[in-house]
Amino acid sequence: NAGVTQTPKFQVLKTGQSMTLQCAQDMNHEYMSWYRQDPGMGLRLIHYSVGAGITDQGEVPNGYNVSRSTTEDFPLRLLSAAPSQTSVYFCASSYKREVEQYFGPGTRLTVT
Amino acid sequence: AQSVSQHNHHVILSEAASLELGCNYSYGGTVNLFWYVQYPGQHLQLLLKYFSGDPLVKGIKGFEAEFIKSKFSFNLRKPSVQWSDTAEYFCAVVGNNDMRFGAGTRLTVKP
Repeated sequence: NAGVTQTPKFQVLKTGQSMTLQCAQDMNHEYMSWYRQDPGMGLRLIHYSVGAGITDQGEVPNGYNVSRSTTEDFPLRLLSAAPSQTSVYFCASSYKREVEQYFGPGTRLTVT
Repeated sequence: AQSVSQHNHHVILSEAASLELGCNYSYGGTVNLFWYVQYPGQHLQLLLKYFSGDPLVKGIKGFEAEFIKSKFSFNLRKPSVQWSDTAEYFCAVVGNNDMRFGAGTRLTVKP
């Protein structure tokens, strides 16, 4: 099993550009989530999904969109990148929200 | 919304010293508790978890944590740290269908 995979590993965007961060898992997990990690702030939940076709907002959803058309994939879209979105983004999955999460390797995003 | 506090932002220890990292949370109901570790350049991995039962839980690599319900705490301990324990440690709490992470504690172990 590959576990949770994320692409790309690194990305530099200019302000106003859009892009999609990819996340896939092969563990047949229903629950998937996106976090951003910023120094001194830990991980903050952006969006999550409890199954295909169902998504919901987390703690910091503004500026991001998600969709969940399959159990395996959970892409995160930045609609119009801003410098405040410079961060490390982690995707995670689990069979339900209340149990331990399995994390991907992360995407380091810089917005200039 | 519930909150999770990790009071130690950066801890520096020498090898063989004992470690205790604090974690406190605000939610008063039933909780699931976790400690994750992030080694330099790597993704988060589960160290240990508590759902119910014995409040003293043991995890990987000699780590343990104690759930004290009356203090809303879930402190992480290790009797003797190694240089390879240098990492960032995150406490996470799930309560009322809401998961929150603490800000993290960076541990540096000097050889």
